[in-house]
Amino acid sequence: EPEVTQTPSHQVTQMGQEVILRCVPISNHLYFYWYRQILGQKVEFLVSFYNNEISEKSEIFDDQFSVERPDGSNFTLKIRSTKLEDSAMYFCASSEILGRGISFEQYFGPGTRLTVT
Amino acid sequence: AQTVTQSQPEMSVQEAETVTLSCTYDTSESNYYLFWYKQPPSRQMILVIRQEAYKQQNATENRFSVNFQKAAKSFSLKISDSQLGDTAMYFCASASNFGNEKLTFGTGTRLTIIP
Repeated sequence: EPEVTQTPSHQVTQMGQEVILRCVPISNHLYFYWYRQILGQKVEFLVSFYNNEISEKSEIFDDQFSVERPDGSNFTLKIRSTKLEDSAMYFCASSEILGRGISFEQYFGPGTRLTVT
Repeated sequence: AQTVTQSQPEMSVQEAETVTLSCTYDTSESNYYLFWYKQPPSRQMILVIRQEAYKQQNATENRFSVNFQKAAKSFSLKISDSQLGDTAMYFCASASNFGNEKLTFGTGTRLTIIP
């Protein structure tokens, strides 16, 4: 069964450093998402991406964040200058393009645990 | 804007018993989707069950079923014949309209199945 993969599984970085989290969505999916989950809290939407551009972003997704699909398979989340409060689990998800009236499913990757020290 | 509320932070139940997790939501959308996701200790997010708001029939997936009360904006999850592997965090989530909208999650219910 196809699955979303994410690398690395755990990333430790120092405050102020740049990090890039990588995701490989399911191959025939065209919508991509990033969510984050601070330890012990709920999962929060960060950004959705379609047709090589951001389709929606949350208030959390400020200028420190960016997303990119550098090739036909990878989808990345970059945090330019990490802060302590960026420590969280980051989930990538992907979904198919479906027509109106058809339900859809977002498939989640296993997550990357980001620890900022 | 959508909001999802889970009022039970923790629950526990004996193995083989039935347990119901509560969820309420609020939305101004005319059509929307509701989901239950399971997050085991591995922290992977796994879709358990999905309900389209325009469908009156409650969704079922094997031992998992929902009680969808549209007027009350309630979407509870029933787990029958609970198993040790059901131990996990369970998140209720909603998505508006058609297409590939963002998911809005509740705060979760930590479910423990007691052997």
